[in-house]
Amino acid sequence: QKEVEQDPGPLSVPEGAIVSLNCTYSNSAFQYFMWYRQYSRKGPELLMYTYSSGNKEDGRFTAQVDKSSKYISLFIRDSQPSDSATYLCAMSEAGNNRKLIWGLGTSLAVNP
Amino acid sequence: DAGVTQSPTHLIKTRGQQVTLRCSPKSGHDTVSWYQQALGQGPQFIFQYYEEEERQRGNFPDRFSGHQFPNYSSELNVNALLLGDSALYLCASSPTSGGAFNEQFFGPGTRLTVL
Repeated sequence: QKEVEQDPGPLSVPEGAIVSLNCTYSNSAFQYFMWYRQYSRKGPELLMYTYSSGNKEDGRFTAQVDKSSKYISLFIRDSQPSDSATYLCAMSEAGNNRKLIWGLGTSLAVNP
Repeated sequence: DAGVTQSPTHLIKTRGQQVTLRCSPKSGHDTVSWYQQALGQGPQFIFQYYEEEERQRGNFPDRFSGHQFPNYSSELNVNALLLGDSALYLCASSPTSGGAFNEQFFGPGTRLTVL
């Protein structure tokens, strides 16, 4: 079993839809939970991170962490064609510059 | 600030050869991490360098080695290349600050193809 599981999709939605992406994990030592966005032929860029359990909102993006279920989610409201990319979850244990453990990534296409 | 830069952009090698990839971190960052991303997969952690020493290492064989220079730039070396080494190699830099979370900034990657 992989430490982090993520459905690779692909996911295709119409413009304006609410998108829900999620990951599950097995390592209870994970404390930081991140969502990265990766466009084709580019490196990943950090969208949001959350420490421990709870919700975090940034504009159209909301990240949720449920440590009791070992389940994290990213919601995108009012999705735009420019949101079309691969979304990767990543996690790490507490501590300075700990290695990131990644999901497979979910490919998202937002259609105009 | 140019951000994290990597060279070369693309590389084609044959099995058994050796390759060196280079990374310049974002200004002010002293920690460099390397990841391997196979097609359709998430990145896999190779190792991390800080103060010119390997601080953490993932599950990669000794064929993968690295170096960090006094200016914090870094190299990834892969010996005896295998077909399975074909991937996008990502470099990430981060600061070692007093904060609990240190964001890793990624470069565009080097696409390595082994024939």
